[in-house]
Amino acid sequence: GEDVEQSLFLSVREGDSSVINCTYTDSSSTYLYWYKQEPGAGLQLLTYIFSNMDMKQDQRLTVLLNKKDKHLSLRIADTQTGDSAIYFCAESSTGGYNKLIFGAGTRLAVHP
Amino acid sequence: NAGVMQNPRHLVRRRGQEARLRCSPMKGHSHVYWYRQLPEEGLKFMVYLQKENIIDESGMPKERFSAEFPKEGPSILRIQQVVRGDSAAYFCASSPGTGRSNEQFFGPGTRLTVL
Repeated sequence: GEDVEQSLFLSVREGDSSVINCTYTDSSSTYLYWYKQEPGAGLQLLTYIFSNMDMKQDQRLTVLLNKKDKHLSLRIADTQTGDSAIYFCAESSTGGYNKLIFGAGTRLAVHP
Repeated sequence: NAGVMQNPRHLVRRRGQEARLRCSPMKGHSHVYWYRQLPEEGLKFMVYLQKENIIDESGMPKERFSAEFPKEGPSILRIQQVVRGDSAAYFCASSPGTGRSNEQFFGPGTRLTVL
């Protein structure tokens, strides 16, 4: 079956790098996503990676994909207080359309 | 181009009442997804609709829940005879197509509280 797992909490100091990890089970997933949710708000797509890629970089964000281990990570460089939020990893299901399977979310707390 | 709109943002119902949640997709988007987020959990897929058609309702409880996306007007998620366990945030997302890279744009959610 499809399942996505993440650690629940991460605390980092402002200016440090944050690494949020995710594992997934559906080996047929072709796209994997990272979403950000701020308190009381909807989800904002941060980035996604196609399964034939190992890495994708977008400004302060770096996504690493280890397809063999079904492990996905999101690195945020120079973490700022505005990065405090819940980060969700998601995979697209099989079936011809983009039904997303989400992890439980990692709550990132950035402290001075 | 306004984003995905959901209303109401907050809804309080007593047990046994009906809840109607509305979602207006982004202009030009004909694909709508509904997700439910229970406290401290991730989003769970409920239903995927295209205009006038339910494509996949595998995540929606068989009883009390229904969804529609009429030719005109918003998509509606309807919960009859609500129970306390229905308390959650309900998010709608829309996309222009079905390709895997087609981003789903999420609305701000409706937070349902059942007393």
